[in-house]
Amino acid sequence: GESVGLHLPTLSVQEGDNSIINCAYSNSASDYFIWYKQESGKGPQFIIDIRSNMDKRQGQRVTVLLNKTVKHLSLQIAATQPGDSAVYFCAENSGSARQLTFGSGTQLTVLP
Amino acid sequence: SQTIHQWPATLVQPVGSPLSLECTVEGTSNPNLYWYRQAAGRGLQLLFYSVGIGQISSEVPQNLSASRPQDRQFILSSKKLLLSDSGFYLCAWSVQYNEQFFGPGTRLTVL
Repeated sequence: GESVGLHLPTLSVQEGDNSIINCAYSNSASDYFIWYKQESGKGPQFIIDIRSNMDKRQGQRVTVLLNKTVKHLSLQIAATQPGDSAVYFCAENSGSARQLTFGSGTQLTVLP
Repeated sequence: SQTIHQWPATLVQPVGSPLSLECTVEGTSNPNLYWYRQAAGRGLQLLFYSVGIGQISSEVPQNLSASRPQDRQFILSSKKLLLSDSGFYLCAWSVQYNEQFFGPGTRLTVL
């Protein structure tokens, strides 16, 4: 079946640097993508989303880029802070009830 | 504003015992509701979703079941727990074709 996967399971960055988390998806019909942040022991928290009619969307310190040609999604975090340490999931929509298919996640660790 | 509640927060149950996890949503009407399970260090696996009262769709065959007795109440149940049922159970809601919002989760340990 269709799936969403991540290129890297772990990512370590220095505090203040920019972080880039990548995601590949396989369902070319997906038209909605979301990034979630999950801190240990908590439920995932919505970060930012993007629809397939866009290539880029910016939020506060975060930017999501969508490349439909190669079916690639990325999350950029500017000036990474210790509070950004968490697991980051990408997800794509599927199904009539807007079921989300999640990737396996990337553990982001911010080094002091 | 909308809020989502799950209880209990943690649960330790023996193998073969029954299970009932509850999820309620406040501040919205006729939401889509979802149950996910997350194994340690892994992604989220969709178990059930519901688009309305009494309407349940199962994504993964297992010894779990779900029910939606009220518009904003979603219950996950089992008659006999297995060791493999251990995990972090997350409830989520969405409206129309928008993002899903997750509850705080229930940590279930089956011994």
